[in-house]
Amino acid sequence: QSALTQPRSVSGSPGQSVTISCTGTSSDVGGYNYVSWYQQHPGKAPKLMIYDVSKRPSGVPDRFSGSKSGNTASLTISGLQAEDEADYYCCSYAGSYTLNYVFGTGTKVTVL
Amino acid sequence: QVQLQESGPGLVKPSETLSLTCAVSGYSISSGYYWGWIRQPPGKGLEWIGSIYHSGSTYYNPSLKSRVTISVDTSKNQFSLKLSSVTAADTAVYYCARQDYYGSGSSIWGQGTMVTVSS
Repeated sequence: QSALTQPRSVSGSPGQSVTISCTGTSSDVGGYNYVSWYQQHPGKAPKLMIYDVSKRPSGVPDRFSGSKSGNTASLTISGLQAEDEADYYCCSYAGSYTLNYVFGTGTKVTVL
Repeated sequence: QVQLQESGPGLVKPSETLSLTCAVSGYSISSGYYWGWIRQPPGKGLEWIGSIYHSGSTYYNPSLKSRVTISVDTSKNQFSLKLSSVTAADTAVYYCARQDYYGSGSSIWGQGTMVTVSS
């Protein structure tokens, strides 16, 4: 299985919106509504920001939203804040007949 | 509050077996959920290694399946990872995490433990 494709980096000024894409195939992103997104600050463990394509765990600001179209999922951060600067990873269920996950290549979000 | 804590040797020799344990507090593993291992080589992305259901059913990354064993010890409320025949490519931060249901994202993570494979 191949890693999901994400842009290496995206950037935006405070208050702006940025969108990170996550492209897979019909065997993972396109085949199931099990896409999750993680935020990772340097030296820290990843934090779940979005699950099941568009659901937000309790405590995650509503500035973070997720969507999916075909084989591509997206994470949008609205009203960008300094603390949003981090690495972001998507992840998709890719199982078909067994539990299996594939992660994205990761995107560095820079707040200008 | 559910917490996960990884433990194990920080240095493993090539060709040997890497063994890690994840202690769970604030929740009884035998009550439910999937419990998994994810790793991250230095400066690189995340890779799912495998998961175990509270009942003991195991699921492994196809690329690692021949070398991986995940087990659960409900009496100690912990689960473990064994990765055999390690090479330098297995050097990574290893995280344990909880998946709330089949196919879901990992909602709770341990802090991670760095394992270096070197002679």
